Amino acid sequence: KQEVTQIPAALSVPEGENLVLNCSFTDSAIYNLQWFRQDPGKGLTSLLLIQSSQREQTSGRLNASLDKSSGRSTLYIAASQPGDSATYLCAARTLGRLYFGRGTQLTVWP
Amino acid sequence: DADVTQTPRNRITKTGKRIMLECSQTKGHDRMYWYRQDPGLGLRLIYYSFDVKDINKGEISDGYSVSRQAQAKFSLSLESAIPNQTALYFCATSDQPSTPDTQYFGPGTRLTVL
Repeated sequence: KQEVTQIPAALSVPEGENLVLNCSFTDSAIYNLQWFRQDPGKGLTSLLLIQSSQREQTSGRLNASLDKSSGRSTLYIAASQPGDSATYLCAARTLGRLYFGRGTQLTVWP
Repeated sequence: DADVTQTPRNRITKTGKRIMLECSQTKGHDRMYWYRQDPGLGLRLIYYSFDVKDINKGEISDGYSVSRQAQAKFSLSLESAIPNQTALYFCATSDQPSTPDTQYFGPGTRLTVL
């Protein structure tokens, strides 16, 4: 069974810092790896999806990388802003299903 | 209007009651999913459906049942609710076949079982 772990569980930083959120998975036979954002009281919003054949994806200040062989993905947030405060979840798609990590709760203070 | 809607958004019920959570989507997707999220835990898959005639159990299907009434509607039922089913429930959809197969989530239903 696929297991997904996210480190750290929580992170609090001042505005402007560059951040790295980590995600690891136990089964490297993944179809893709997704990063989501979850705001309190709201559903999940997909941020980036990396296919198994890709190494990275970028969207604005966000960059996600994937290393299947080592079972790792990282989400890089450049020049963090208070509006980036949320919980970030990664999910590995294996055998048609998404397996989620527990998330990293990010707080960016002014 | 939201592409994936869930009703109700909040529900408080008592142990032993039958509860139905509903999900509707206007994205035209074939695949629909039900997840639950508990504090400090990731989302766990309850049931999923790849089309109207296809229903599959997820990781934690015990105590739950589903109905795919149409392509756009997927309902989750708790036949006899118990307190440890208190959680945040999410419905999601994805297209098939599709690249990149992104899942789109509803806003969630917060269920409390007393």
